[in-house]
This record gives sequence, C-alpha cells and structure tokens, in this order.
Amino acid sequence: GQNIDQPTEMTATEGAIVQINCTYQTSGFNGLFWYQQHAGEAPTFLSYNVLDGLEEKGRFSSFLSRSKGYSYLLLKELQMKDSASYLCAVQGGGFKTIFGAGTRLFVKA
Amino acid sequence: SQTIHQWPATLVQPVGSPLSLECTVEGTSNPNLYWYRQAAGRGLQLLFYSVGIGQISSEVPQNLSASRPQDRQFILSSKKLLLSDSGFYLCAWRLTGSGGNEQFFGPGTRLTVL
Repeated sequence: GQNIDQPTEMTATEGAIVQINCTYQTSGFNGLFWYQQHAGEAPTFLSYNVLDGLEEKGRFSSFLSRSKGYSYLLLKELQMKDSASYLCAVQGGGFKTIFGAGTRLFVKA
Repeated sequence: SQTIHQWPATLVQPVGSPLSLECTVEGTSNPNLYWYRQAAGRGLQLLFYSVGIGQISSEVPQNLSASRPQDRQFILSSKKLLLSDSGFYLCAWRLTGSGGNEQFFGPGTRLTVL
C-alpha cells in the first residue's frame, strides 16, 4: 500500500531550527514535495526533491534519501509566521500525488 | 500568469441536498486537474483527477462525482450530500508532461453539511 508518515505536531522557539521528518512507502516515485498550509488556507509549494541530497532555499531546506524512503524539511531562524502545517507529498507513478496528514508546527516566542 | 478560481468560498447545505463546486484555471492549457478534500485537522484526500476533457479518474468510492466539460473547468458534484461530506475542498492544477511539477491550489471551498 501507499503510506506517508510525519509527526502530528511540533513546537519550537522563535529563532531556533526545527526538522520535520517524513517517511514514505509508495508505488513509484517521481519526486517528493513539501507544502506549507496556514490555518484555513490552501497549501503553498515550498520545495521539491527527486534526487538524494539536500536542497536549500533561503531559510528552508529539504533532504531526500530514496533508499530509506525518508525526507526532512529544515526550517532555520524560525519566525512566528512559520506557525503552520507542513505537508509532505510524494508523486508516485502516473499523475497522482499522495499527501501526508501534515505536521502542525507551533512557534513560540 | 496562471490563476485558479474556486467558488463558492463557503457553503452550508442540508443533508440530502445536491452539490456543485466549480473550479477554473486561467493562463495555462491542458493542465492536470485535481479535487482534494481535507477534513478538519487532517491531510488531503485525493478524490478525483483529470488529464483531459471528459477524462476523470476516481480515487475513493463515494457519493461524489466530477466532470471536466472544458479544458480549464473542473466540477465536483453530488446528488445527495452526507454529513461526512463536510470538509475543505481544494482544486489544484499541475502542468502535464514530465514529473516533478508542483501542484497549485485554489483558495478552497469550506463545505458544512448539517
């Protein structure tokens, strides 16, 4: 079957670094995405990984290990506005993208 | 630039009533289109996707249906709503062709079935 696991909630302090992990089991693999979703809003794209390694984009970085079925999203210099849900999603074979349940991140002062 | 529209933004419907949610995309041609539902505090559940006019794939057995009457129009319907149909409905599009293209989401429709 297809499964994406990520922690339900995390709490971190403003200015700190937080790592959100994601493990997946899917039929086919055409890339892994991270999306940010603020409460009541639509998800917005953060990052994409298709090869193993780290992709850095400003304060956000995403890592992928295809052999381990594992990814993480790293957020540096946390800001209050980073409080949101972070969705891990895998594009399997074909046209479908499977989403995890999301990790709710709370950033406290 | 591409934009995606959904309406209505919010909807309250009684159990057993019909439903029609509309999604339109501007600024792109022949996109892949998707309908997702997100229950409160939950992840996105893929309901339908379409790779072209009149081509609909259903992911979950349910009392919902989808249609794509035009290239950039995607409609989600139901003849009789259930309480469990409540949720946040998101339409998304993606470029066709090679993998690795992110999905762009519309603003969503929040449906409450009473």
